Amino acid sequence: EPEVTQTPSHQVTQMGQEVILRCVPISNHLYFYWYRQILGQKVEFLVSFYNNEISEKSEIFDDQFSVERPDGSNFTLKIRSTKLEDSAMYFCASPVPSGELFFGEGSRLTVL
Amino acid sequence: GQQVMQIPQYQHVQEGEDFTTYCNSSTTLSNIQWYKQRPGGHPVFLIQLVKSGEVKKQKRLTFQFGEAKKNSSLHITATQTTDVGTYFCAGRNNDYKLSFGAGTTVTVRA
Repeated sequence: EPEVTQTPSHQVTQMGQEVILRCVPISNHLYFYWYRQILGQKVEFLVSFYNNEISEKSEIFDDQFSVERPDGSNFTLKIRSTKLEDSAMYFCASPVPSGELFFGEGSRLTVL
Repeated sequence: GQQVMQIPQYQHVQEGEDFTTYCNSSTTLSNIQWYKQRPGGHPVFLIQLVKSGEVKKQKRLTFQFGEAKKNSSLHITATQTTDVGTYFCAGRNNDYKLSFGAGTTVTVRA
């Protein structure tokens, strides 16, 4: 089964600090998504990334967020100056041709 | 923008009973997907419905897509403890973005 890998599994940070979450999507896939899920709430779309460019982003994805591809297979979600309300699970997801999304196991971010 | 609403938010079910969760979109969808998220886990794809009026079954789970392609339902028969989790519908418009409903969190009384 296709695999999407995310690190770290849990990150604890102080408010105002920068955080980098990493994702390795399904091999050779050019398209992937970042989603956020605040505890007990729904999965919210943050951004889609295609071939080294952001293709779409939500209103949640403001200037403090950025997505990069530092090397061939790794993608990162950076939060520049974390706020308490950024505490959530962050999921990376790869679509397959049939349209379904394969989610990684997520990175839990706790902002103190 | 597109909104996907899902009801009920919580479903407490006696083991062995049936239940249904409903999903409604503010816009016509090109397709709809259902995901299951176990407590502490990540969403896992269950099924995709594409055609108007489509019905698909997976063992005790029956998925329907409305004729107008604006609503969908998931019906589970003879609920088991393994059905515990949150079930999300996710609708897709003509763009590539999936919009998730708020989910129905299912608990089962043995």
